[in-house]
Amino acid sequence: AQSVAQPEDQVNVAEGNPLTVKCTYSVSGNPYLFWYVQYPNRGLQFLLKYITGDNLVKGSYGFEAEFNKSQTSFHLKKPSALVSDSALYFCAVRPGGYQKVTFGIGTKLQVIP
Amino acid sequence: SAVISQKPSRDICQRGTSLTIQCQVDSQVTMMFWYRQQPGQSLTLIATANQGSEATYESGFVIDKFPISRPNLTFSTLTVSNMSPEDSSIYLCSVVGPGQGETQYFGPGTRLLVL
Repeated sequence: AQSVAQPEDQVNVAEGNPLTVKCTYSVSGNPYLFWYVQYPNRGLQFLLKYITGDNLVKGSYGFEAEFNKSQTSFHLKKPSALVSDSALYFCAVRPGGYQKVTFGIGTKLQVIP
Repeated sequence: SAVISQKPSRDICQRGTSLTIQCQVDSQVTMMFWYRQQPGQSLTLIATANQGSEATYESGFVIDKFPISRPNLTFSTLTVSNMSPEDSSIYLCSVVGPGQGETQYFGPGTRLLVL
């Protein structure tokens, strides 16, 4: 069975500082990994994904994530945080193919002005 | 990416009643899913909506409580039947389609409050 761990319920970072939101996963075979963001009273917005290829993937709004197979991690990063980045971030994983996606519990990012 | 709309966006319902949520996509998609997000929780998959056949339900979810229809490749409905306050959640439609690189996209959600 596949699983996703987001070990931090909340991450606080000062505006302008780099941010990291952590994600580790467990899945059989090669993973498809995703990050989504949810703003208050909104649906989930797709940020980025790793399917294959370069371990560093770039996504929307300046976010990037690094796939680390040996550590089974897919941490979300941004070099300089904005107050508008404050939201709930979900990591998700599934094995290849159109199969069930498993979501982490979410990490609340608070960017402090 | 596909543009997904849901109706209604929110509703307040009385215990024992039923609500049907619609999901419309602007292009044909391969897969359609329904998720529930309870307050302060992550997303839980309710079922996969199959075109022209019965939906595939996840453990803990049954057709009598959450009947689903998918008459074509762009539209699906989820009904929450005989509602109780425990059904108060955000219900999200999600799709995967050809040319979307296996990414799952989500609708804006339907916020349901059951009194």
